[in-house]
Amino acid sequence: ETGVTQTPRHLVMGMTNKKSLKCEQHLGHNAMYWYKQSAKKPLELMFVYNFKEQTENNSVPSRFSPECPNSSHLFLHLHTLQPEDSALYLCASSPLGSSGRNEQFFGPGTRLTVL
Amino acid sequence: QKEVEQNSGPLSVPEGAIASLNCTYSDRVSQSFFWYRQYSGKSPELIMSIYSNGDKEDGRFTAQLNKASQYVSLLIRDSQPSDSATYLCAVNSYTDKLIFGTGTRLQVFP
Repeated sequence: ETGVTQTPRHLVMGMTNKKSLKCEQHLGHNAMYWYKQSAKKPLELMFVYNFKEQTENNSVPSRFSPECPNSSHLFLHLHTLQPEDSALYLCASSPLGSSGRNEQFFGPGTRLTVL
Repeated sequence: QKEVEQNSGPLSVPEGAIASLNCTYSDRVSQSFFWYRQYSGKSPELIMSIYSNGDKEDGRFTAQLNKASQYVSLLIRDSQPSDSATYLCAVNSYTDKLIFGTGTRLQVFP
């Protein structure tokens, strides 16, 4: 595997279900991100992890729970979601360093539908 | 609020023409600038990064940065129908976050 991978690619869940999204980066990067992209809306940053430490929680509802066990893996645990949470969920990683050159590379995304 | 602004388009250009995509940003201390291409239903793909004033060329793509005017642009020469996509401008200011614009939809017609 190369780059940033995400599983599953598509997910349909009911409002009472619990599911998890997985992201893995094979680029040796130290920062990982979760974004939400809804139809006809810009990218919304949800969470940032830098060296496994969460550095940003962009006022995301508690029904979204991130987990970063190491610099290569990132999870987004989902529970009691609402239909308006249906969107494309994107994971990204970046090398981040003292230069501040934050080139982010995205995974293919998980298309989530909440019924 | 730090912002990145783009014209939503669509920008329609004929095949073979030059497409010019523009982006302005509000944070004067911004240091890194990126252009992403996003096809419908796909994830954003990094196509250009630029860090200093002037032009940077990569194949048919040229990124232009003017920090005094807080302006960054992307030129696509010899536009092809396969270039039809949404182009996202993103800006970074010594943090671990990128600020994305809303994107410009480009349509290249044969």
